Amino acid sequence: AQRVTQPEKLLSVFKGAPVELKCNYSYSGSPELFWYVQYSRQRLQLLLRHISRESIKGFTADLNKGETSFHLKKPFAQEEDSAMYYCALRGTDKLIFGTGTRLQVFP
Amino acid sequence: NAGVTQTPKFRVLKTGQSMTLLCAQDMNHEYMYWYRQDPGMGLRLIHYSVGEGTTAKGEVPDGYNVSRLKKQNFLLGLESAAPSQTSVYFCASTRAGYEQYFGPGTRLTVT
Repeated sequence: AQRVTQPEKLLSVFKGAPVELKCNYSYSGSPELFWYVQYSRQRLQLLLRHISRESIKGFTADLNKGETSFHLKKPFAQEEDSAMYYCALRGTDKLIFGTGTRLQVFP
Repeated sequence: NAGVTQTPKFRVLKTGQSMTLLCAQDMNHEYMYWYRQDPGMGLRLIHYSVGEGTTAKGEVPDGYNVSRLKKQNFLLGLESAAPSQTSVYFCASTRAGYEQYFGPGTRLTVT
């Protein structure tokens, strides 16, 4: 079965602390994974896709096929990173989203 | 380009009433999607379309119908609204192999 698991509903950190948002997937084949971000009351927007191997707003994510993970990391969190983060897996004709993790960054 | 737009932005319905949500995109995308977003449940796919004139069921299709008569528009209908359909509805579009672009959302309350 194709599935995305984000085990944390809420992650709270202080400004300047490292952040890791966990994402695990289940997929037979070569997966294509994404991170989407939703700032308060805004539309979802793409943050990262693993095939581009970019760093956006200081965030990185590495695909680990052995652990079937695609965790999102940032070494020093900023208050403006507070948002809802969704991990997604490309399925047939659609994306499969995890349930999301809300990141709260306190000053 | 306006990207993906949704109308209306907000709506309050009474139980049993019907309504249609409109999604429009100006990027000539083949694929369009309707999701609902609920606290703790994340994004759940309601219905989607892989091209004009086609529709398919997603994860939570019951109580909803869709139509894709024109490539740029994807309509989501609620024939008889129920309180369980209180949610924020997002539309998205894409072309094969690319990222999904989302609309701003429609906040629906069913009383």
